[in-house]
Amino acid sequence: DSGVTQTPKHLITATGQRVTLRCSPRSGDLSVYWYQQSLDQGLQFLIQYYNGEERAKGNILERFSAQQFPDLHSELNLSSLELGDSALYFCASSVDQDPSYNEQFFGPGTRLTVL
Amino acid sequence: AQSVTQLGSHVSVSEGALVLLRCNYSSSVPPYLFWYVQYPNQGLQLLLKYTTGATLVKGINGFEAEFKKSETSFHLTKPSAHMSDAAEYFCAVSGAGSYQLTFGKGTKLSVIP
Repeated sequence: DSGVTQTPKHLITATGQRVTLRCSPRSGDLSVYWYQQSLDQGLQFLIQYYNGEERAKGNILERFSAQQFPDLHSELNLSSLELGDSALYFCASSVDQDPSYNEQFFGPGTRLTVL
Repeated sequence: AQSVTQLGSHVSVSEGALVLLRCNYSSSVPPYLFWYVQYPNQGLQLLLKYTTGATLVKGINGFEAEFKKSETSFHLTKPSAHMSDAAEYFCAVSGAGSYQLTFGKGTKLSVIP
């Protein structure tokens, strides 16, 4: 158990819908990262927050957004869903903002299926 | 820009045999290199990492990797495979001041009894 929790574990929805994925980082970790894992694209970095502020953006679509709240939990919002958004979404957390020096601890993921 | 290439999407070894998973990277800055393991239906777990210093890095579960700058490689090895090593392995790279990890496509390791 990494100490990072993600809810829900599974999500099945229809095209055009909007969903919210939730992540609680390990106690004491200030940085949260979101990754998408799909068969064709592999593991891709989406976005990072550090202590409530956006720090880095990767291959995140405009239909996707995220935020980190004062209690440090984070939510990833996916809207106007398409079939291609079906994937495993991971949240990771670390103590500091630079992953070069700090291990990223990964949650178990949320499997999103868009029908 | 950084990138990672993992040679072989699927590797099979016999139990007790050497495990060798290949990773080559591209980075415009001195790289920091990582190997992660993903067991079925679980998140990723860090096996080992190279940031600076000794180029031979030892990790958990008997794995080690060697950073070879001249070959831009960071191959993962284990002298003797165990059934419990069956999983998917990801090589990743980041650089100084980079907030994100760039992952390879992954290599699925099967261990044959």
